[in-house]
Amino acid sequence: NAGVTQTPKFQVLKTGQSMTLQCAQDMNHEYMSWYRQDPGMGLRLIHYSVGAGITDQGEVPNGYNVSRSTTEDFPLRLLSAAPSQTSVYFCASSPRTEENTEAFFGQGTRLTVV
Amino acid sequence: DAKTTQPTSMDCAEGRAANLPCNHSTISGNEYVYWYRQIHSQGPQYIIHGLKNNETNEMASLIITEDRKSSTLILPHATLRDTAVYYCIVRLSRSNDYKLSFGAGTTVTVRA
Repeated sequence: NAGVTQTPKFQVLKTGQSMTLQCAQDMNHEYMSWYRQDPGMGLRLIHYSVGAGITDQGEVPNGYNVSRSTTEDFPLRLLSAAPSQTSVYFCASSPRTEENTEAFFGQGTRLTVV
Repeated sequence: DAKTTQPTSMDCAEGRAANLPCNHSTISGNEYVYWYRQIHSQGPQYIIHGLKNNETNEMASLIITEDRKSSTLILPHATLRDTAVYYCIVRLSRSNDYKLSFGAGTTVTVRA
């Protein structure tokens, strides 16, 4: 059981370049989220999805786009990378149930924009 | 979701219990207390959660005060591998989405 898989693990971009961070989960979870973590800080929510075809903005959505065409995948797109987007990005998933459950996190993508 | 307050850091001796406090004085009746930890910049890992009763699992115990305004996470026998940042999070139960609001957490260092 792979859980939540993020690719790539490391990436260096030049300012203005675009790229997509991939996130896939094999647990059939409805909820998926993207967070960023800057040095010495907690995670901040970028975008989230409550199911295929449904996405919404989190706390810091500017400069990022998401889509959710399948239950398994939730890619995060950087349209025009900026140095302020240098961060570690985490994807998370959780099931939609009546009981409170945990979120499962990927191992992160470390992005540097130069 | 209610905000939480945690100490910035704390040390613990290996083999001893680690008691991590969290203040959530504005918690409402349908909000749960969750604890996650993050080891050396890995993805956060779920530890435990509770509403008003004390909870215990294989990783830790969660003690919630009767007025629910504070809680304590207890690692019964801390090991070096428990060195991590621990996050106390309050979130609504049965919400229509799953969003977590992370603060800065408590950096716990377990010393041999």
